[in-house]
Amino acid sequence: DAGVIQSPRHEVTEMGQEVTLRCKPISGHNSLFWYRQTMMRGLELLIYFNNNVPIDDSGMPEDRFSAKMPNASFSTLKIQPSEPRDSAVYFCASSPSSGSDEQFFGPGTRLTVL
Amino acid sequence: ELKVEQNPLFLSMQEGKNYTIYCNYSTTSDRLYWYRQDPGKSLESLFVLLSNGAVKQEGRLMASLDTKARLSTLHITAAVHDLSATYFCAVAGNTPLVFGKGTRLSVIA
Repeated sequence: DAGVIQSPRHEVTEMGQEVTLRCKPISGHNSLFWYRQTMMRGLELLIYFNNNVPIDDSGMPEDRFSAKMPNASFSTLKIQPSEPRDSAVYFCASSPSSGSDEQFFGPGTRLTVL
Repeated sequence: ELKVEQNPLFLSMQEGKNYTIYCNYSTTSDRLYWYRQDPGKSLESLFVLLSNGAVKQEGRLMASLDTKARLSTLHITAAVHDLSATYFCAVAGNTPLVFGKGTRLSVIA
């Protein structure tokens, strides 16, 4: 079975540009999570969805960040406009339906904002 | 609010030595996960501990869970260089998993 798929794997952009990160969760998983990882702040939960519905977005740093999950097999995290401090590795993870908390992580997207 | 504390955060150990990483958490839970992250890579599930007294072992790593003490340990036996990585514990509560800050382990010759 394919694991969590993220694209792109690397993104380099200039300050002010819009960035869209994509995630395909493991088929059959009902929960999806977006994380950001930096050396300074470690691993941070940005937002998570259950059955395509956003449950908690309190970790989203600013209004410049938005996330959507239009269907069970696709989610996006958008940053508009991007800033250099947004440079980080962004991970998507998914989790099966109720009864299991275990999260399965994608390979991550390394974002560099110049 | 569930808080998860790992220690140490950094660990440099010699090959062949034994050591233990600790994961303490603040509220009742009987579900705890250990993940491994290699440099530049993603997090991979290492152990799933789902009850008090649970013990899992793989190779030179052994994890245990004491729900009464709200403590999990990850014990490393006779460390080898290949174990160099960052290890995270994550605890389940009423919210999604709460992760510790991770323990960066370096095994040196």
